[in-house]
Amino acid sequence: EVHLLESGGVLVQPGGSLRLSCAASAFTFNSAAMSWVRQAPGKGLEWVSSISGSGGTKYYADSVKGRFTISRDNSKNTLYLQMNNLRGGDTAIYYCAKDRSPSVAGTGTFDYWGQGTLVTVSS
Amino acid sequence: AIRITQSPSSLSASTGDRVTITCRASQSISSYLAWYQQKPGKAPKLLIYAASTLQGGVPSRFSGSGSGTDFTLTISWLQSEDFATYYCQQYYTYPPLTFGGGTKVEIK
Repeated sequence: EVHLLESGGVLVQPGGSLRLSCAASAFTFNSAAMSWVRQAPGKGLEWVSSISGSGGTKYYADSVKGRFTISRDNSKNTLYLQMNNLRGGDTAIYYCAKDRSPSVAGTGTFDYWGQGTLVTVSS
Repeated sequence: AIRITQSPSSLSASTGDRVTITCRASQSISSYLAWYQQKPGKAPKLLIYAASTLQGGVPSRFSGSGSGTDFTLTISWLQSEDFATYYCQQYYTYPPLTFGGGTKVEIK
């Protein structure tokens, strides 16, 4: 059974930094594009960032471009999101999600999601 | 970025009802539309992709239709476990991926 487990969410002050991790299991991690999707409290879903299976292609939402960095360690089956210069608007549950397509590039649809990790940005 | 307008934002229905949710894209997205179900405190679950293809394990009472700019999710016979929030998502342009605002299906 595919399993995604996020960690690293905490309370952080505005301007602070944080790194989220997502440990993956039970699928060929290095063949799967992966993404981060967030959900502010009581709000809808917002795509944040995606990375190809090889790690060579990365995409970001405009709202996080220049502040967040997505990466992966295929030897550890782990996805990361480095978050810098955090703002109140970044407060959300952050989900990692696996792309449905087996292609390395991915399609942008997500067949498995983690349970999420809560990031709170507040002074 | 392509905007997705989802309606209604909420609806009340009874078990056994037929429910329809719509999404409209700000430009043609062919059939590059997915639907997700999210229950409180849980992660979203993929129901449909390519506008009408049912994800494995999803009950056949769920169906999707549409192409271009207008899409529909139909639950043909609402069950108690279907009370949730539903989101559509376009993946025609990537990046960015964009979601509709969600439709909360509540018990009447």
